Amino acid sequence: DGGITQSPKYLFRKEGQNVTLSCEQNLNHDAMYWYRQDPGQGLRLIYYSQIVNDFQKGDIAEGYSVSREKKESFPLTVTSAQKNPTAFYLCASSSGFSGNTIYFGEGSWLTVV
Amino acid sequence: GDSVTQMEGPVTLSEEAFLTINCTYTATGYPSLFWYVQYPGEGLQLLLKATKADDKGSNKGFEATYRKETTSFHLEKGSVQVSDSAVYFCALIRNAGNMLTFGGGTRLMVKP
Repeated sequence: DGGITQSPKYLFRKEGQNVTLSCEQNLNHDAMYWYRQDPGQGLRLIYYSQIVNDFQKGDIAEGYSVSREKKESFPLTVTSAQKNPTAFYLCASSSGFSGNTIYFGEGSWLTVV
Repeated sequence: GDSVTQMEGPVTLSEEAFLTINCTYTATGYPSLFWYVQYPGEGLQLLLKATKADDKGSNKGFEATYRKETTSFHLEKGSVQVSDSAVYFCALIRNAGNMLTFGGGTRLMVKP
């Protein structure tokens, strides 16, 4: 089945550690996105990529990094510089970058312990 | 900049009640409008969309009409079910670009 797969579903991070969240899509979509959702709040854009080997910062990119080496993959690294990383992270993709519908994965919960 | 404003929740209804969740937006040009639904612990699912003025999006008994004159995209359902309990997000994408701007979300709780 076509879709967006995020892993792991739940992840615990110690203070000072970097962690990487995986996002894979088999929809042949060009554009991919990472959003952060805090409890009881809306979504905020972290990074987006319109095409392979290119990505742009969103509204809250500080403390995060991404790569886009393959069309189907857009991993997000939460670095130790992100001071408040506990949140729900959502990966998304779309077939183009001009008014196209954006589809979401199931999300990953990251908790700092 | 673009913005989306939704009614604050939670909205608590009895089963079979009529649902309205208000959504208004501010954007330049002619954005596309969306409603997404998020069930507990899950990602967002596209519920419906409308891409131009007076379009009506509909899915699973939910409807919303793109009203440019009032810059609104209110979500309605004639008879809610317990299984409709979720958080609903209104969002827009401007024609140029593909950046979703979300409202804050409205939690719906339907009691049997």
